[in-house]
Amino acid sequence: SQQGEEDPQALSIQEGENATMNCSYKTSINNLQWYRQNSGRGLVHLILIRSNEREKHSGRLRVTLDTSKKSSSLLITASRAADTASYFCATASNSGYSTLTFGKGTMLLVSP
Amino acid sequence: NAGVTQTPKFQVLKTGQSMTLQCAQDMNHEYMSWYRQDPGMGLRLIHYSVGAGITDQGEVPNGYNVSRSTTEDFPLRLLSAAPSQTSVYFCASSYDQGNGYTFGSGTRLTVV
Repeated sequence: SQQGEEDPQALSIQEGENATMNCSYKTSINNLQWYRQNSGRGLVHLILIRSNEREKHSGRLRVTLDTSKKSSSLLITASRAADTASYFCATASNSGYSTLTFGKGTMLLVSP
Repeated sequence: NAGVTQTPKFQVLKTGQSMTLQCAQDMNHEYMSWYRQDPGMGLRLIHYSVGAGITDQGEVPNGYNVSRSTTEDFPLRLLSAAPSQTSVYFCASSYDQGNGYTFGSGTRLTVV
């Protein structure tokens, strides 16, 4: 069963605009991760935020985590056409060994 | 180049045939996982391993076997292929659950 659920399912913006994707999850987590997948390719790890962190930055990426609401958001600033991809959140629970549980993803289209 | 290598990239099987999807990593990662990705379903965990000689089932293990005799290799065996196993299969590895995963480029499997 999916742990994370991304919202929206699809997002279309112009180059230079900001893109925000949201993720909700159901159980307590050790950390939450965001991945990017270009069409026909494997997933690429973007950023990891631990349960005791509230915000994290990496280049044009900003991730927030609200454990009280069991939600996270990924903000991509000043989007480029090359950011066109599907974005997935994945959670690692805090009970024993845990693999990643993925959501269904947000498909982002950035038009020139 | 360090990373996760999956072979083959494409495969067509007839119903009832068996085959092994290969996965190898050269990063000395203890954690390895197999996922399948189907349209609209995100990634679902098939089997995972936390070290050589240790494996466990994920969300959708039926019809698949794994073994982990070395740290580097984590093959996935399809015992008797069925059309429902048509999917894209990804292998991923990580140092531990507190770190991001590195994904292979995937194997696109079609069962006819």
